[in-house]
Amino acid sequence: QQQVKQSPQSLIVQKGGISIINCAYENTAFDYFPWYQQFPGKGPALLIAIRPDVSEKKEGRFTISFNKSAKQFSLHIMDSQPGDSATYFCAASKGGGGNKLTFGTGTQLKVEL
Amino acid sequence: KAGVTQTPRYLIKTRGQQVTLSCSPISGHRSVSWYQQTPGQGLQFLFEYFSETQRNKGNFPGRFSGRQFSNSRSEMNVSTLELGDSALYLCASSIQGGESPLHFGNGTRLTVT
Repeated sequence: QQQVKQSPQSLIVQKGGISIINCAYENTAFDYFPWYQQFPGKGPALLIAIRPDVSEKKEGRFTISFNKSAKQFSLHIMDSQPGDSATYFCAASKGGGGNKLTFGTGTQLKVEL
Repeated sequence: KAGVTQTPRYLIKTRGQQVTLSCSPISGHRSVSWYQQTPGQGLQFLFEYFSETQRNKGNFPGRFSGRQFSNSRSEMNVSTLELGDSALYLCASSIQGGESPLHFGNGTRLTVT
């Protein structure tokens, strides 16, 4: 049972463009939504995270948009750079302690010159 | 500050054998989680330990087990290995779990032949 659906599976963006990755969740008990970036041979690294009481959060070129009623959230990468080429995962977890994250299936982003 | 350290980086085992993977969390982190990453199933939560106690458990068979020591270091064990256990096993630590950022190691690549 996949509780977090992520799309697209892969994405090619030109340098300087905007990369957009979308996720949808089913479990309304989820209340913490992080995004992770993973380079080949490395473990995932936390990029940015949001709670459902906020509709948008921005950190540098990375922005999370959150739509609680639609149970959807998305990652926007502004001014995409070749160094952003990596796999991105959305995730969700329930409050009350613990680090049990449910991950999306990942999006392989390639930023071309 | 040193990151999460996982040993060994690579392992090759034969079906039916057992294996133990090791994880040293970031100093001061009390929560250690384990995830399995495969191309087909993506990132899946195995279990989380906090102060030597298992706090959360994923949907994996009993062949997968873990423990945490008083210094927060953790081990996971897989008994009676199956071909399908071939995966990247990721350890992650956080200060206390919940919404405290999860820091991943670079994983142990297990191949079962």
